[in-house]
Amino acid sequence: EAGVAQSPRYKIIEKRQSVAFWCNPISGHATLYWYQQILGQGPKLLIQFQNNGVVDDSQLPKDRFSAERLKGVDSTLKIQPAKLEDSAVYLCASRTVANTIYFGEGSWLTVV
Amino acid sequence: QQQVKQSPQSLIVQKGGISIINCAYENTAFDYFPWYQQFPGKGPALLIAIRPDVSEKKEGRFTISFNKSAKQFSLHIMDSQPGDSATYFCAASFTGTASKLTFGTGTRLQVTL
Repeated sequence: EAGVAQSPRYKIIEKRQSVAFWCNPISGHATLYWYQQILGQGPKLLIQFQNNGVVDDSQLPKDRFSAERLKGVDSTLKIQPAKLEDSAVYLCASRTVANTIYFGEGSWLTVV
Repeated sequence: QQQVKQSPQSLIVQKGGISIINCAYENTAFDYFPWYQQFPGKGPALLIAIRPDVSEKKEGRFTISFNKSAKQFSLHIMDSQPGDSATYFCAASFTGTASKLTFGTGTRLQVTL
């Protein structure tokens, strides 16, 4: 069974530029998450989807971050404009019906 | 509000020793407690998980001990190996559509020869 796929793996951008990350969850997983992990910290939830609907986006900085999952499968996370403090790993995860959550390798963002 | 507290922040253990990492939670609605292992440059990987209806779960060299009344759980790594050197995160969640993981701050484990 294929795992959670994410791209790009690494991205370096200048502040105020935009960036987009893509995620393809494990096949059949209805629930998809985007987490932000700052170096040396635990992952923090940004947004949770159930199929193509948003379940929780209370921690998403909506003035600069947006995410969508239009067909209930793939998802994209966009940051515009990026700030220095957005430098982090953006982890996509999906969940089984038994509540087990699997993570992708992450997309590493450096804002300079 | 930090709902899952993890300690220690870092841990050095000799090869063959026992590594112990502790977590405490606040939300009594949590009913699923996984541990994730993360190597540098990789995403977190599920290691072992427990539900509050049991006090202990063992998988190979990894054991979770769970104390519901104290709202604490811990990871024990027996016969620690250099390949176990990684960052370990405890987490907690509740079942249901809105289920999401709340993570601890992580423990960086180094197993020396």
